[in-house]
Amino acid sequence: GNSVTQMEGPVTLSEEAFLTINCTYTATGYPSLFWYVQYPGEGLQLLLKATKADDKGSNKGFEATYRKETTSFHLEKGSVQVSDSAVYFCALSVSLYTNAGKSTFGDGTTLTVKP
Amino acid sequence: NAGVTQTPKFQVLKTGQSMTLQCAQDMNHNSMYWYRQDPGMGLRLIYYSASEGTTDKGEVPNGYNVSRLNKREFSLRLESAAPSQTSVYFCASSDGTGTGGYEQYFGPGTRLTVT
Repeated sequence: GNSVTQMEGPVTLSEEAFLTINCTYTATGYPSLFWYVQYPGEGLQLLLKATKADDKGSNKGFEATYRKETTSFHLEKGSVQVSDSAVYFCALSVSLYTNAGKSTFGDGTTLTVKP
Repeated sequence: NAGVTQTPKFQVLKTGQSMTLQCAQDMNHNSMYWYRQDPGMGLRLIYYSASEGTTDKGEVPNGYNVSRLNKREFSLRLESAAPSQTSVYFCASSDGTGTGGYEQYFGPGTRLTVT
């Protein structure tokens, strides 16, 4: 079956530090990969995505590259801000007509950025 | 364009009581999902619906029922609430048919406590 493993948290960084949150996956077929962010008290929202190998997704200074050879989709940001404090979820979705677009989510990584 | 809306935002139930969580989306999406989120356990899929009139079980369906009333609305019912169902419930939708992995759009969540 499909699975997503992400770096355990919590992660605590100082403002302007470099961020990496690791994500690896196993999947049958050709998955699309996603990072979602959840701010306190809110639902998840899409941060970025990549739909094929070597694609780079980017948004709000965050980036992740779809690495098929290492089955990874690590999230990076060069300089984090206090406002980036949130829970980050890695997810995949395999393109099958019959699977209703279901996604497989990692367990989430909590990031706290201190001023 | 409100996206995905959920009602109520908060609810407290006594053991054995019943209630229905409501969800609606205005994006004309085919697929809808119900998740629960518990501390340290990530997101777990309860039920999903690929289209109006169809529903399928997810990972943790016991104790829940769902209805896909029309393309917009997908409700989750707890017939006899138990303390183990204390959780945050999220509804999501995606255009999850055909090929191409599709991102999911989440509602703000319902915070349910069963005493």
